[in-house]
Amino acid sequence: EDKVVQSPLSLVVHEGDTVTLNCSYEVTNFRSLLWYKQEKKAPTFLFMLTSSGIEKKSGRLSSILDKKELFSILNITATQTGDSAIYLCAVPDSGAGSYQLTFGKGTKLSVIP
Amino acid sequence: GAGVSQSPSNKVTEKGKDVELRCDPISGHTALYWYRQRLGQGLEFLIYFQGNSAPDKSGLPSDRFSAERTGESVSTLTIQRTQQEDSAVYLCASSLQGLGETQYFGPGTRLLVL
Repeated sequence: EDKVVQSPLSLVVHEGDTVTLNCSYEVTNFRSLLWYKQEKKAPTFLFMLTSSGIEKKSGRLSSILDKKELFSILNITATQTGDSAIYLCAVPDSGAGSYQLTFGKGTKLSVIP
Repeated sequence: GAGVSQSPSNKVTEKGKDVELRCDPISGHTALYWYRQRLGQGLEFLIYFQGNSAPDKSGLPSDRFSAERTGESVSTLTIQRTQQEDSAVYLCASSLQGLGETQYFGPGTRLLVL
């Protein structure tokens, strides 16, 4: 069974701090790993990672994948209160149909002014 | 619009009533997914539509839940005889082809069953 584990489950930091969120996974046929940010209701897409060692960057957010060690990290530098959210990591189902996403439980980030 | 849209955004209903939730996927996306997220819980897969193939209903929690999709466009999720445990946010997502690609989520429908 595919598995996605995120850590920490929650994190409280002060504005300006840098945070690193972790996601480890176990899938039979890895294709990609996705990061989402969930604030109120719907997750919003952040990154899709398919290749090991290549950093994806968007503003203060960046992410990298290690396919050998089966994990990914999401970094947020100079955090702001608007970064407060649940960050979800997901991998597509490795079954033949391969249409579902298996989500981790998420990391709840709280940024204090 | 450019993104996935859902309606209503909020729905309050009485136990035992039927509810219908609607999802408009991104134009051109052949794959559509429904998820449920209960308070404090992770995302729970419900059902998946891909083109004209028979939908995968393996995630539906009971026979009170059903969903339809018209071609490659609008989908409706119907919950009959709602129960309090059905209270959750119902999220719809779409992707271009459904093969492990990025899924784009709608804003969700928050359902409260009293």
